[in-house]
Amino acid sequence: NAGVMQNPRHLVRRRGQEARLRCSPMKGHSHVYWYRQLPEEGLKFMVYLQKENIIDESGMPKERFSAEFPKEGPSILRIQQVVRGDSAAYFCASSPTGGRGSPLHFGNGTRLTVT
Amino acid sequence: EDQVTQSPEALRLQEGESSSLNCSYTVSGLRGLFWYRQDPGKGPEFLFTLYSAGEEKEKERLKATLTKKESFLHITAPKPEDSATYLCAVQAATVGGGSEKLVFGKGTKLTVNP
Repeated sequence: NAGVMQNPRHLVRRRGQEARLRCSPMKGHSHVYWYRQLPEEGLKFMVYLQKENIIDESGMPKERFSAEFPKEGPSILRIQQVVRGDSAAYFCASSPTGGRGSPLHFGNGTRLTVT
Repeated sequence: EDQVTQSPEALRLQEGESSSLNCSYTVSGLRGLFWYRQDPGKGPEFLFTLYSAGEEKEKERLKATLTKKESFLHITAPKPEDSATYLCAVQAATVGGGSEKLVFGKGTKLTVNP
C-alpha cells in the first residue's frame, strides 16, 4: 500500500462536528476513488474523481458528504454534521489511467469514530 | 445491478492444506475481475486482474482462474502468512464510458494454522 497516503489514520469526532479526510494519490496517478468499509461488510464505492472533476458520485449520500480533488493538493472527503452511523473505515484508492483493467491502489484508510 | 458474492465467508486451513475460494458475479459487460488481499488495519493490496473466461494468473502459492460466471482463487500449500481477508471485485462496462469503479464482494477471511 506504499504510495497512497491517507491522513489522519484515526479520527474521533463528536456528533454534529465536521470530519475532513485527506488522500494523496500515488505519484503520476490522476484518478481517485473513495470507498467506505463497515464492520462485516464489503467495500462500498462512494465517489470517483479526476483532477478538478467529479466523475461519478453515485455512491455518496446526498446530504452532508462532499468530495473534491483540486488541481493542487490532496483529495478531500468532507462529512458535515457527523452522526454515529458515519463511523467506519474510509479508504482512498488511485489509478494512473482509470482504463479497462486498471487496478486501484489503496491507502491504509482513515478510521472515523463518532462519539 | 452488478453483484459479487464470495464464499465461504471464513475458511480455516492447516498449513499445507490446499483449498479454493469462490467469487460469483453478475455484471453487465465484464471489463475486469480483480483479487485483493487485505490484512487487519490495512488497505487492500492488489493481487491479480483477469479479463476473460479461461484466463489464469499465478503468484507464489496463489492461482486465480476465471469463467463466465465465477472466479476461483486457489491456494496451494498455504502458510500462516497467507492468513488475510481475500476480496474479489468486478469492473463493469458503462454506457458512454465514465466511471471505472470496482464493485467488491464481502470477502473470505482465511486463517492458516501452523
